[in-house]
Amino acid sequence: EIVLTQSPGTLSLSPGERATLSCRASQSVRSNYLAWYQQKPGQAPRLLIYGASSRATGIPDRFSGSGSGTDFTLTISRLEAEDFAVYYCQQSGSSPQTFGQGTKVEIK
Amino acid sequence: QVQLQESGPGLVKPSETLSLTCSVSGGSISNYYGSWIRQPPGKGLEWIAYIYYSGSTNYNPSLKSRVTISVDTSKNQFSLKLSSVTAADTAVYYCARGPGSSSGWWDYWGQGTLVTVSS
Repeated sequence: EIVLTQSPGTLSLSPGERATLSCRASQSVRSNYLAWYQQKPGQAPRLLIYGASSRATGIPDRFSGSGSGTDFTLTISRLEAEDFAVYYCQQSGSSPQTFGQGTKVEIK
Repeated sequence: QVQLQESGPGLVKPSETLSLTCSVSGGSISNYYGSWIRQPPGKGLEWIAYIYYSGSTNYNPSLKSRVTISVDTSKNQFSLKLSSVTAADTAVYYCARGPGSSSGWWDYWGQGTLVTVSS
């Protein structure tokens, strides 16, 4: 099984700042089957990015994804108040699908 | 707008079977994958299984011996059964639907239902 390790565990930033979240896979993720989700307390996860770099429907362009192989990044160019949440990466290139442990983006 | 809604008991006794149903509205389950994903309180996400509308399935090996996923296209629903539950199975259970003919990511999610395993 592919293990996804997200870093940092917590990111403390101010609104307007840039957030860079990392997701590292224990093996290469096939065909860039890497997705990113945002989860707020008491809510279901929301798909942000699929295929490593494609934004899901309705996702603002301040969210961008990049990377390939074993190293992937989610960037939020300028944090807005509603972006403070937990972010998960997910790989589905190899079964079983797996999720990272999450990165919490909190207000500094 | 596609909506998913989980239903089932919120409390299950140890060693019994957890049964949940996901009802899809505003769109069809046909030609799509449906999945179950769970999240223990305060922890991360764990993929359980997915099913294609045709009935083909894929299970997480860590749970495979205890899990059955099924689909009823006539009711636009898919279901989960998890047998021999223990306290470690206490979690919020989410159903989700994939985009088109892909099981690579999940773009529509239910709100989740908390299932507690306790006597």
